[in-house]
Amino acid sequence: QKEVEQNSGPLSVPEGAIASLNCTYSDRGSQSFFWYRQYSGKSPELIMFIYSNGDKEDGRFTAQLNKASQYVSLLIRDSQPSDSATYLCAVNAGGFKTIFGAGTRLFVKA
Amino acid sequence: DAGVTQSPTHLIKTRGQHVTLRCSPISGHKSVSWYQQVLGQGPQFIFQYYEKEERGRGNFPDRFSARQFPNYSSELNVNALLLGDSALYLCASSLSAGGSTGELFFGEGSRLTVL
Repeated sequence: QKEVEQNSGPLSVPEGAIASLNCTYSDRGSQSFFWYRQYSGKSPELIMFIYSNGDKEDGRFTAQLNKASQYVSLLIRDSQPSDSATYLCAVNAGGFKTIFGAGTRLFVKA
Repeated sequence: DAGVTQSPTHLIKTRGQHVTLRCSPISGHKSVSWYQQVLGQGPQFIFQYYEKEERGRGNFPDRFSARQFPNYSSELNVNALLLGDSALYLCASSLSAGGSTGELFFGEGSRLTVL
């Protein structure tokens, strides 16, 4: 079982729609959860982090965490073509290592 | 303020050679982590250094080594290069060694091609 699992996609949504990206993790002791966006040929860029159960909103982005289900999600409202990228879920269990999933490719069609 | 800087940005080596990659963290950040990203996969953890000490090592062979200097910059060394070492090597800095302030800020990476 992979430590952090994501659907590789691609996930295709029309412009203006809500994109929903999901991630599960295996270590129940995980404490910190991150979403990174990576454009093709570029390095990952942090867009959201969440530490507590529930929802956290930042502009068009909402991160959701359910520790009981070991599940993290990212919602992107009013999706734009510029949101087309690979979204990486990352998990830290309180130590030195942040573990990344393989990423979900998102395409937003104009 | 400058972000994380890495050098070189691109390099080509042949099998068996050695490579040194360099990273300067964001000012004030004391932690540097190194990741390897193969095309189509997520970043894989190689090392973390905090306050000049190795705090963690991923599942990579001993051909991979690193160090952190008093100014918190870091080097990643890879000996006896293999074709499979071809990847984007990412350096990330953070304020702490992990946990609740463990947000990682990545440099643009060093793309290594081994022929």
